[in-house]
Amino acid sequence: EPEVTQTPSHQVTQMGQEVILRCVPISNHLYFYWYRQILGQKVEFLVSFYNNEISEKSEIFDDQFSVERPDGSNFTLKIRSTKLEDSAMYFCASSYLAGGSFGPGTRLLVL
Amino acid sequence: EDQVTQSPEALRLQEGESSSLNCSYTVSGLRGLFWYRQDPGKGPEFLFTLYSAGEEKEKERLKATLTKKESFLHITAPKPEDSATYLCAVQVEGTSGSRLTFGEGTQLTVNP
Repeated sequence: EPEVTQTPSHQVTQMGQEVILRCVPISNHLYFYWYRQILGQKVEFLVSFYNNEISEKSEIFDDQFSVERPDGSNFTLKIRSTKLEDSAMYFCASSYLAGGSFGPGTRLLVL
Repeated sequence: EDQVTQSPEALRLQEGESSSLNCSYTVSGLRGLFWYRQDPGKGPEFLFTLYSAGEEKEKERLKATLTKKESFLHITAPKPEDSATYLCAVQVEGTSGSRLTFGEGTQLTVNP
């Protein structure tokens, strides 16, 4: 069964640095998403991407964040000038219509 | 504002002891309600989608039901491997990007 994959599984970075989280969605899916989950908290929507553009974003997804689909398979989340509070699990998801199949996540730790 | 509330926060069961988890929602218009299972340190794993009141779906020991205000996840004769956090999420009409709004989850522990 096809799965969403994410790299890296863990990322440690210094405050103020830029990180890029990578995802390979399921190939025939149309919608791509990024969610995050701060330790002990609920899963929060960041952004959705459809037809090569952002279709919706949350209030969390400010100018510090950007997404890109650089080729036909990858989907990336860039976080510029990381802050301590960006430490979280970041999940990529994809769907054909509704819902989403989630990847295993990238655990980001900002020191 | 769309809200999803799950109860209880945590539930401990003995193996074989059936129970139900609750997800109540307040949304402007429901497009779909989703149940996921999440193991520690892992991504949510899709279980069910429900679209309209009265709908039911089953998978092994799990059954999900939906009313106009809430959904239940019934667990029949649970086993220790059913231990996980169960997440409820809603997709709301009128949103362009199909985002999911999640509840806090119910942490289920099944003791042998």
